[in-house]
Amino acid sequence: SQQGEEDPQALSIQEGENATMNCSYKTSINNLQWYRQNSGRGLVHLILIRSNEREKHSGRLRVTLDTSKKSSSLLITASRAADTASYFCATDAMGSSNTGKLIFGQGTTLQVKP
Amino acid sequence: DTAVSQTPKYLVTQMGNDKSIKCEQNLGHDTMYWYKQDSKKFLKIMFSYNNKELIINETVPNRFSPKSPDKAHLNLHINSLELGDSAVYFCASSQGRSTYGYTFGSGTRLTVV
Repeated sequence: SQQGEEDPQALSIQEGENATMNCSYKTSINNLQWYRQNSGRGLVHLILIRSNEREKHSGRLRVTLDTSKKSSSLLITASRAADTASYFCATDAMGSSNTGKLIFGQGTTLQVKP
Repeated sequence: DTAVSQTPKYLVTQMGNDKSIKCEQNLGHDTMYWYKQDSKKFLKIMFSYNNKELIINETVPNRFSPKSPDKAHLNLHINSLELGDSAVYFCASSQGRSTYGYTFGSGTRLTVV
């Protein structure tokens, strides 16, 4: 069954604005990851946040995790046209094998207009 | 150097045919995966191999058979292709539960006509 659900499904903003995407999941997790997928390309790993962490930063990316609400958010600050892509959250569910099977949400399609 | 490479990038074939997709990673990772992405961009895991051993086999029709000759390669063979098999297939690799997550290939777009 699908673990992650993302909101919104699509987001359109102007360059320079911030973009926030949310992800909800159902079961307890070891970690939660965010990936970016440009059109026609593979997914690129952006950031991983462990279940005992609440917030993590990487450049213009800020990820929060609320395990009590089983939700996470990805904030992209000062967006650029090059940030246009689909963004996926993925959960490494507790109880999965030691190799970390990931279950992906359906993604948020972000369009940043120049 | 491409970290995870898949071939072919595009595959158009008729119903009933048998086809293979190859995947190779040069990262020294111990685990490889096959994911299927449908037209709505939903990604679903199909198989996972750890050091050549099958560890994840989701509810995939047995027309799909993965083969891992060594830990750097994970191929996907599909028998008797059906229209519903049309999708983008992604290979990925990871080193256990690495902080760096998965590394994905660029995908193989399979179209069954």
